[in-house]
Amino acid sequence: DAKTTQPTSMDCAEGRAANLPCNHSTISGNEYVYWYRQIHSQGPQYIIHGLKNNETNEMASLIITEDRKSSTLILPHATLRDTAVYYCIVRVAGGNQFYFGTGTSLTVIP
Amino acid sequence: DTGVSQDPRHKITKRGQNVTFRCDPISEHNRLYWYRQTLGQGPEFLTYFQNEAQLEKSRLLSDRFSAERPKGSFSTLEIQRTEQGDSAMYLCASSLEGTGPYEQYFGPGTRLTVT
Repeated sequence: DAKTTQPTSMDCAEGRAANLPCNHSTISGNEYVYWYRQIHSQGPQYIIHGLKNNETNEMASLIITEDRKSSTLILPHATLRDTAVYYCIVRVAGGNQFYFGTGTSLTVIP
Repeated sequence: DTGVSQDPRHKITKRGQNVTFRCDPISEHNRLYWYRQTLGQGPEFLTYFQNEAQLEKSRLLSDRFSAERPKGSFSTLEIQRTEQGDSAMYLCASSLEGTGPYEQYFGPGTRLTVT
């Protein structure tokens, strides 16, 4: 599975959109982009995934560039409860383990 | 509650003792995974089962570690002769195998402290 690169930490003002970038320049055509988050001392929580089209669900939006070498997770109106570590993962469909890396620590500031 | 559950949530043990953790996956999920997470790091894969068969093991899973899923439902992870380096959060996840890009759902984890 391809590797991902994420900033170590980010801040976002409460109520504003949080845009979390991820680089995955070696992604292959059959690899999906997944996002998970982990709130302190809890298990990781699935957020969203996509292949090449932009995706939106009740939690977030996922924007994948046309060349698929990078993506952005957007939390449209960040709240204090969105403070967490966000992991960007790429994996083939039907693959087994997830490679989490160290993720981006997002702090939402009141 | 239909999520993944783990028991116990916390375990403190003395070095050299054996410990066993339990994971109950989402009922219709046929895949079950174990991960380990140390402070400041993301979860690291240990092993996974499809139904009762253990299909893959990480090199992180030393001989002191053993996992079972005897009836394809709940799973146990045992650590024998615990060492201080085993102190970590042990996470269980489950998924429903399919042809699509299925996601894994994680439990709350078991935090192990070896003194």
